[in-house]
Amino acid sequence: NAGVMQNPRHLVRRRGQEARLRCSPMKGHSHVYWYRQLPEEGLKFMVYLQKENIIDESGMPKERFSAEFPKEGPSILRIQQVVRGDSAAYFCASSPGQAPGYTFGSGTRLTVV
Amino acid sequence: GDSVTQMEGPVTLSEEAFLTINCTYTATGYPSLFWYVQYPGEGLQLLLKATKADDKGSNKGFEATYRKETTSFHLEKGSVQVSDSAVYFCALSEVQGAQKLVFGQGTRLTINP
Repeated sequence: NAGVMQNPRHLVRRRGQEARLRCSPMKGHSHVYWYRQLPEEGLKFMVYLQKENIIDESGMPKERFSAEFPKEGPSILRIQQVVRGDSAAYFCASSPGQAPGYTFGSGTRLTVV
Repeated sequence: GDSVTQMEGPVTLSEEAFLTINCTYTATGYPSLFWYVQYPGEGLQLLLKATKADDKGSNKGFEATYRKETTSFHLEKGSVQVSDSAVYFCALSEVQGAQKLVFGQGTRLTINP
């Protein structure tokens, strides 16, 4: 049973470009969470999704950031017009339901140059 | 809002030393508590958890007890190994709602042979 799969592992974008980060949850998991880790800091919650629904996006920046979890396919975190401050590690996690604790992927490390 | 405060690092110990990493929290109600470990360049792995007061979580020689009276969840290990070198994160999970995690800032642990 594969774990939470994130790709790409590393992503380099120039300022103003778009970044798309993908997350495939564990088999049977219908809940997906996205977190961001800035250098030398802990993880900060961004968004919580279930299939085709955004449940809680209270941690998402108001502009340029969006997330989706379609009926088919992976969850996507999209960052438009990236800036240097978006450079961070973005982690996805999944769970089968609203039970405490979930499984994290290995993350996508975004570098904006 | 809910918050987690961890002992500041970095922490450097010799192999076979006793380890304590302090963690205290502020929350409404009785959250679930977790310790996650992050090895260099990797995602977070759940190390242990406790879901109610006086529960003890344990795994790989690590232990932590949910202390409601002191709002603490300190991580301990009797004899550390070089392979324990990593960053350790304490976290709490909301009692209700999205079950999002609130993380401490992390403690970097280095074990010298």
